[in-house]
Amino acid sequence: NAGVMQNPRHLVRRRGQEARLRCSPMKGHSHVYWYRQLPEEGLKFMVYLQKENIIDESGMPKERFSAEFPKEGPSILRIQQVVRGDSAAYFCASSPPGFSGVKTQYFGPGTRLLVL
Amino acid sequence: GQQLNQSPQSMFIQEGEDVSMNCTSSSIFNTWLWYKQDPGEGPVLLIALYKAGELTSNGRLTAQFGITRKDSFLNISASIPSDVGIYFCAGQGDSSNYQLIWGAGTKLIIKP
Repeated sequence: NAGVMQNPRHLVRRRGQEARLRCSPMKGHSHVYWYRQLPEEGLKFMVYLQKENIIDESGMPKERFSAEFPKEGPSILRIQQVVRGDSAAYFCASSPPGFSGVKTQYFGPGTRLLVL
Repeated sequence: GQQLNQSPQSMFIQEGEDVSMNCTSSSIFNTWLWYKQDPGEGPVLLIALYKAGELTSNGRLTAQFGITRKDSFLNISASIPSDVGIYFCAGQGDSSNYQLIWGAGTKLIIKP
């Protein structure tokens, strides 16, 4: 029973480059959530997706950030033209079909993005 | 927007001591959750609370959902070295049934 998988675990980018973060949910899970964590802070909700649909992207910056969860393959969080302020840990969580409640979100190990 | 204040920010304790931390909110929450995060890992759910006044235990951990629905505490009894980590409270309000508002965390350090 593999848990939520994220890759890469660490990503270094220079300002202006693109960052692509991948999340494979737990087997059988169809809901994916992305969170951002700055140092010394709690997680902040970014976006909630189901297969091929964005349900809620209210926490995601309007520019440069996008997310998708295709029918096949992992969910992708894409950050274009990264800036130093994008440096953070990005966590993905997943939950089973029909259960989007908070208790059922299982978190991955995160991707630590460092923008130089 | 809704915010959580979590305290203390960090704790230095001796092995075997009891630990207490709490979270307060400016508004009402419907659910309180307590997580532990180890370095380089994602948060792991420890305890979930769904009703005002609810007191729930998980081994040496005990958490309570405040009567006012604006606070919660977590106690750890007889701490052991593997308790080291960052503990987060998180709350779910009326805005959605999946969005969590997170505290800033309490870092627990056990003195040798």
